[in-house]
This record gives sequence, structure tokens and C-alpha cells, in this order.
Amino acid sequence: AQTVTQSQPEMSVQEAETVTLSCTYDTSESDYYLFWYKQPPSRQMILVIRQEAYKQQNATENRFSVNFQKAAKSFSLKISDSQLGDAAMYFCALGPPFSGNTPLVFGKGTRLSVIA
Amino acid sequence: ETGVTQTPRHLVMGMTNKKSLKCEQHLGHNAMYWYKQSAKKPLELMFVYNFKEQTENNSVPSRFSPECPNSSHLFLHLHTLQPEDSALYLCASSQYRAANEKLFFGSGTQLSVL
Repeated sequence: AQTVTQSQPEMSVQEAETVTLSCTYDTSESDYYLFWYKQPPSRQMILVIRQEAYKQQNATENRFSVNFQKAAKSFSLKISDSQLGDAAMYFCALGPPFSGNTPLVFGKGTRLSVIA
Repeated sequence: ETGVTQTPRHLVMGMTNKKSLKCEQHLGHNAMYWYKQSAKKPLELMFVYNFKEQTENNSVPSRFSPECPNSSHLFLHLHTLQPEDSALYLCASSQYRAANEKLFFGSGTQLSVL
């Protein structure tokens, strides 16, 4: 079975500082996709970043980047120059290869607070 | 209006009531989903529709009944719910039904069952 673990229920960061959210996963697949979704107080989840397992290069989206360690099955999210608008729940998710339709497996989430 | 819209935003219902949740997407997507989000639990996929056909039902109790009249609208009909069904119900859509697709979510309906 596929699992996703987010070991940090809550994190906080000072505005303009950098924070890293942890995510580990377990899967028997060699190819898969990993995601980070953000859920702000508005409750509307938004895709932050997506990583394809066969790509060794870490994905980046502006201030958001990941540290993907395939052997360790680790997929952490780094937020640089944190802003007040980054305060939200962050969910890590694991998905099958392109052709698969097995549902995404989500972690329980990490609540990030940004301190002004 | 763009994106995924869900109504109502909040809903309180008794265990004997019948109510419906509505989801509408204006993105031209072909797949739509219902998720249940409970406190301190991972998101749970409930139903998937692909080109208006239900393709997945993840062992959801029959008191939840989905309906997809067209590719832009999705409903979740509720009847004789239990207090443990209280949760945030999220609708999502994607271009195609593949789990690596980017999901677009609505803001959810916060349901309280008394």
C-alpha cells in the first residue's frame, strides 16, 4: 500500500525567512508523481508544485522548491522569503505513473504559520 | 466566473434531513471528484466522474449519492447522515482522469450533522 507521512503537524516561520516542510512516502512503484498542495483559510486547495519521480532535477516554482530524495523516499518543500500569504495547511500527495488512475494518497498536512 | 464553485459554503442538517451539495466548474475539464476532509485525517477520495460516467466509488456509504448531469456540474445528495459524516466536502476537477493531473479544488462545503 502507498502511504504518505507528514511528521510536522505545525510549523512556524518568520516573515522573509526560509522554512522546510517534511514529507516521506512509501510505494513499490518505480515511477510516480509527488505533489504539494496548499490550503489557505479560504479552504480552496491549490497545487504548489509537482515532481515526476523519473526526473532527478528538483522542481521549483518561484519561491517554492523541493528536495526530492528518491532513495530515501523523501520529498520536502522549501519556502524561501516567506510571506504572510504563505500561511496555510500544506499537504503532500503521492500519485501513480502517468497512465495510472489510482487515487492520490494525501498526508495529514502541516499547518504553517508566518510571523510578521 | 472561473474555477470551481461549491455551494452552499456551510450546511447544518439533522440526521433525518435530505440535502444536496453542488459543484460547478468553468474550466472545461472532463473529470470531477468528491473528497471528504475530516480533522486530522488525510483527504479521502469518495467518487470520481470521467466524461459524466462514475468511474470510482471508494466504498462510500449509500447515504451519499453522487450525480453528474453534465461535465460541468456535480452534485452530492445526502440523506439520513450520521454525526461522523460532519466534515469539509471538497469538489475538484481535472482535465483528464489521471492521478498525476493537476487538481483544481473548490472552497468546499462545511457540513455539520446534528
